[in-house]
Amino acid sequence: QITLKESGPTLLKPTQTLTLTCTFSGFSLSTSGVGVGWIRQPPGKALEWLALIYWDDDKRYSPSLKSRLTITKDTSKNQVVLTMTNMDPVDTATYYCAHIDDNSGGFAYWGQGTLVTVSS
Amino acid sequence: QSVLTQPPSASGTPGQRVTISCSGSSSNIGSNYVYWHQQLPGTAPKFLIYRNNQRPSGVPDRFSGSKSGTSASLAISGLRSEDEADYYCAAWDDSLSGWVFGGGTKLTVL
Repeated sequence: QITLKESGPTLLKPTQTLTLTCTFSGFSLSTSGVGVGWIRQPPGKALEWLALIYWDDDKRYSPSLKSRLTITKDTSKNQVVLTMTNMDPVDTATYYCAHIDDNSGGFAYWGQGTLVTVSS
Repeated sequence: QSVLTQPPSASGTPGQRVTISCSGSSSNIGSNYVYWHQQLPGTAPKFLIYRNNQRPSGVPDRFSGSKSGTSASLAISGLRSEDEADYYCAAWDDSLSGWVFGGGTKLTVL
């Protein structure tokens, strides 16, 4: 059974750096074809893909946010960490991590999401 | 503004068949698979359709997907009240080297 869970701060001030951790179980990020991605959703708005890291450490970023994002993995801890610098109120959103692999090709399993609010 | 274009809303009565469209370009839908997610109010998205028209186990066969050229569609037959949700299409975009989502369609069951 694949599960993912996001953790991190719920409230940040503008210009601060966001660090989110995705802790997962039921799969290994050292298995060929497996990846974990981050997707966010501002309140009442659409989903927006942020970043993706694969089993071989290949990393992909949203072009519009690339300069602010870093994604890393700790295979031994079954964790993926996303950092986003220079947070702004427009970054207020629910942040999800999700599993992807070659079997489905898409984000088949999602965490419950964590709401991050940016406010002074 | 989302790369993939969906109608903001759709509606139908119980038992009806409804379709939701997703329009893209040659760099995303035109050259890659389309995926659909269902998001019930207050919950995380759920995987609904993968690789254009495949259903994960547990997804009723009332849900079906199709793709033609740079557009895709999600069809829901035998509409039920529990189908009331937001639906999102997604695809890999070769030009952006990343995933793109549609703006979402809010389905109302009248």
